[in-house]
Amino acid sequence: GAVVSQHPSRVICKSGTSVKIECRSLDFQATTMFWYRQFPKQSLMLMATSNEGSKATYEQGVEKDKFLINHASLTLSTLTVTSAHPEDSSFYICSARRGTGSFDTQYFGPGTRLTVL
Amino acid sequence: AQSVTQLGSHVSVSEGALVLLRCNYSSSVPPYLFWYVQYPNQGLQLLLKYTTGATLVKGINGFEAEFKKSETSFHLTKPSAHMSDAAEYFCAVIGTGRRALTFGSGTRLQVQP
Repeated sequence: GAVVSQHPSRVICKSGTSVKIECRSLDFQATTMFWYRQFPKQSLMLMATSNEGSKATYEQGVEKDKFLINHASLTLSTLTVTSAHPEDSSFYICSARRGTGSFDTQYFGPGTRLTVL
Repeated sequence: AQSVTQLGSHVSVSEGALVLLRCNYSSSVPPYLFWYVQYPNQGLQLLLKYTTGATLVKGINGFEAEFKKSETSFHLTKPSAHMSDAAEYFCAVIGTGRRALTFGSGTRLQVQP
């Protein structure tokens, strides 16, 4: 099956610092990747759609200057949380879309738990 | 636009009993429907999906779901629960013209010995 990895799996940082999270599709090329955020005991909320070679599309209410997304290659997308604050603490999950047709499926990474002190 | 409603945030069954997790969707176009499972502190794993064709879809770990257009439902079932099935289950939908999944609020399945 398709494999998507995320790194790091867990990160603790001080308030005001920036944190970069990587999402990689290991055995397929993904022109589109998605970034989700999940608060404890809640569902996943889409933050942005990352397209290889172009700017990310952010969902309403998501600060693009705070959550920087780069999709530099067909297998890698990065999410940088800039000037992190405690309210940014959450579980961040990426997914990579395999295929370009109607039956494409998203494969999810294992998630990154961010704790901002 | 599309949305997903999962009835019951918590479901508890005995080991060996039938599992039924409910999902209703709203979509202005023919939907593609998915069920994902999430174990603690992990990402999501695809259980099964419906795109077109046969309305009864079989997935991994003995789960299956039936797409019922007339009821706008896509309920997940498993004949006999196992302790390892305890997890959070998410129903999701994609509508035409949109590539990101819209998730339901999730249902936590507990399996009692």
